[in-house]
Amino acid sequence: GENVEQHPSTLSVQEGDSAVIKCTYSDSASNYFPWYKQELGKRPQLIIDIRSNVGEKKDQRIAVTLNKTAKHFSLHITETQPEDSAVYFCAAWDSGYTSGSARQLTFGSGTQLTVLP
Amino acid sequence: DSGVTQTPKHLITATGQRVTLRCSPRSGDLSVYWYQQSLDQGLQFLIQYYNGEERAKGNILERFSAQQFPDLHSELNLSSLELGDSALYFCASSVGDGGAYEQYFGPGTRLTVT
Repeated sequence: GENVEQHPSTLSVQEGDSAVIKCTYSDSASNYFPWYKQELGKRPQLIIDIRSNVGEKKDQRIAVTLNKTAKHFSLHITETQPEDSAVYFCAAWDSGYTSGSARQLTFGSGTQLTVLP
Repeated sequence: DSGVTQTPKHLITATGQRVTLRCSPRSGDLSVYWYQQSLDQGLQFLIQYYNGEERAKGNILERFSAQQFPDLHSELNLSSLELGDSALYFCASSVGDGGAYEQYFGPGTRLTVT
């Protein structure tokens, strides 16, 4: 099935700096890539997503880029704030057509982002 | 608040027992997905229902089963529980069936098997 790799596993930045989290996926048929933010003990919260017909999407301080050729996508957070500290998960939609596995969102292993005041 | 509700929030039970987790999707959503989150396995897809029908099955053990009722709420049944089943169980919902639709997660049920 789909394999999603996420880097780095931990990331510390100073408040006000930018943070970048990168993910790669294996199934070229994947066409939907959401990002979730999960604070400790809470639900994953959808923060932004991108579909394969666009290369970049922005929402205030958050942006996501997608390179279909290279099969990687990235989350960019600018002007980081302490409340951005959380675990961030990328995911890719596996349609199952090429992988033969169940149609599902396959998640990366997560990035613990810490924003230092 | 995503609009997805899950009960109970916490569940502590013994090995060998059976439990039922409940999920109510957002108003208007027809799909319900179940996920298991453990420290070493991350977020793992278990099963999906759309408008009462099973649509996709992931890494769900045979000891686990689920269903979606006519009012669209869903239940995940876990039986013959083992210590390794201790995890956070999330459900998510989306308006449609398939990858084009955003999935919104509920607050989760923390299951502890002792």
